[in-house]
Amino acid sequence: KAGVTQTPRYLIKTRGQQVTLSCSPISGHRSVSWYQQTPGQGLQFLFEYFSETQRNKGNFPGRFSGRQFSNSRSEMNVSTLELGDSALYLCASSLWSTSGGNEQFFGPGTRLTVL
Amino acid sequence: GENVEQHPSTLSVQEGDSAVIKCTYSDSASNYFPWYKQELGKRPQLIIDIRSNVGEKKDQRIAVTLNKTAKHFSLHITETQPEDSAVYFCAASTAGANSKLTFGKGITLSVRP
Repeated sequence: KAGVTQTPRYLIKTRGQQVTLSCSPISGHRSVSWYQQTPGQGLQFLFEYFSETQRNKGNFPGRFSGRQFSNSRSEMNVSTLELGDSALYLCASSLWSTSGGNEQFFGPGTRLTVL
Repeated sequence: GENVEQHPSTLSVQEGDSAVIKCTYSDSASNYFPWYKQELGKRPQLIIDIRSNVGEKKDQRIAVTLNKTAKHFSLHITETQPEDSAVYFCAASTAGANSKLTFGKGITLSVRP
């Protein structure tokens, strides 16, 4: 099976712009979670989507939003970008929702730089 | 919410020695504890996990132990090799509708040849 893919791999934006990141999960996986990774902060949970519904949300401002389509592909949107949004954004898919302690498979990430 | 902490933040060992990485968690309802390894420039990958009904789990050179009373779990790597050098993340989650996987900040393990 093909692994989790994310597009684009790299993005450079300026403050105030918005950005959309895409994640394609492993075929058959219904859950997609998004994480922000920054040096020293580890992996911070943004949100999880399961069967097109947001299951849970982390402690991020409303500028961060997401959605999931019927084919389980997911998109994450960040509006009004700030310098502090520069990070590696990782998505992870699992067969079922994370509530059951299911293994998550990570994508390669999208490196976002905000100038 | 859940808080997961890892100690130490960096660890350096000689090749062939053992390495132990400890994590503590705050939510006594947590019941799933995975460990992820992230090599430089690569994506995190699950290396071992444990559930709360088990006290220890082994997979070749890697083992994880869980102490529910003290709310901590540890990763043990024996006979370390240079390819074990990476960032290791522990995580914890509960079951149920509002559960999520909460990660620690990661520990950088360096294995000196």
